[in-house]
Amino acid sequence: DAKTTQPPSMDCAEGRAANLPCNHSTISGNEYVYWYRQIHSQGPQYIIHGLKNNETNEMASLIITEDRKSSTLILPHATLRDTAVYYCIVRAYSGAGSYQLTFGKGTKLSVIP
Amino acid sequence: DGGITQSPKYLFRKEGQNVTLSCEQNLNHDAMYWYRQDPGQGLRLIYYSQIVNDFQKGDIAEGYSVSREKKESFPLTVTSAQKNPTAFYLCASSSRGQGETQYFGPGTRLLVL
Repeated sequence: DAKTTQPPSMDCAEGRAANLPCNHSTISGNEYVYWYRQIHSQGPQYIIHGLKNNETNEMASLIITEDRKSSTLILPHATLRDTAVYYCIVRAYSGAGSYQLTFGKGTKLSVIP
Repeated sequence: DGGITQSPKYLFRKEGQNVTLSCEQNLNHDAMYWYRQDPGQGLRLIYYSQIVNDFQKGDIAEGYSVSREKKESFPLTVTSAQKNPTAFYLCASSSRGQGETQYFGPGTRLLVL
């Protein structure tokens, strides 16, 4: 699976949009971009994933560049409860129903009152 | 309420003792996984199972054992052979029917006395 690069930390004011970048310049054509977050001492929480097109769900939006070498996770109105470590992961669809997720160190997002 | 449960939340192990961590899911997922997380680090795969009565070693299987006798259960035993067991243990599951997205349990923190 392709390697990702994320800034180690970011701050965001409460109520503002949080934009978390991720570089994945070696991504292959069949690899998806996944985002998870982990609040301290809890299990990782799935946020969103995409292949080529931008995606939106109730939690966030995922913007993938046309060349697919980078992406941005957008939390439209950050709250204090969004303070967490955010992980960007790329992986191929295995078709076998199981695969290994490779978590890096992620971005620690701090939402400030 | 559908999801993945892990118990206990905290577990203490004495030197030379085997301990078993529980993981149960009612999501009807075929695949289940065990990861280990050390402070400030990403997750590392210990074992995974694609179907009942079958499982494969991950990157750090030494000192651990698993069983998959039922689809909904995937217990992990930390044996006395695991010399550095203190960590946060995370169980996950996935299904082809849900795009293979892995969903995680709340985790078990294992401490050695």
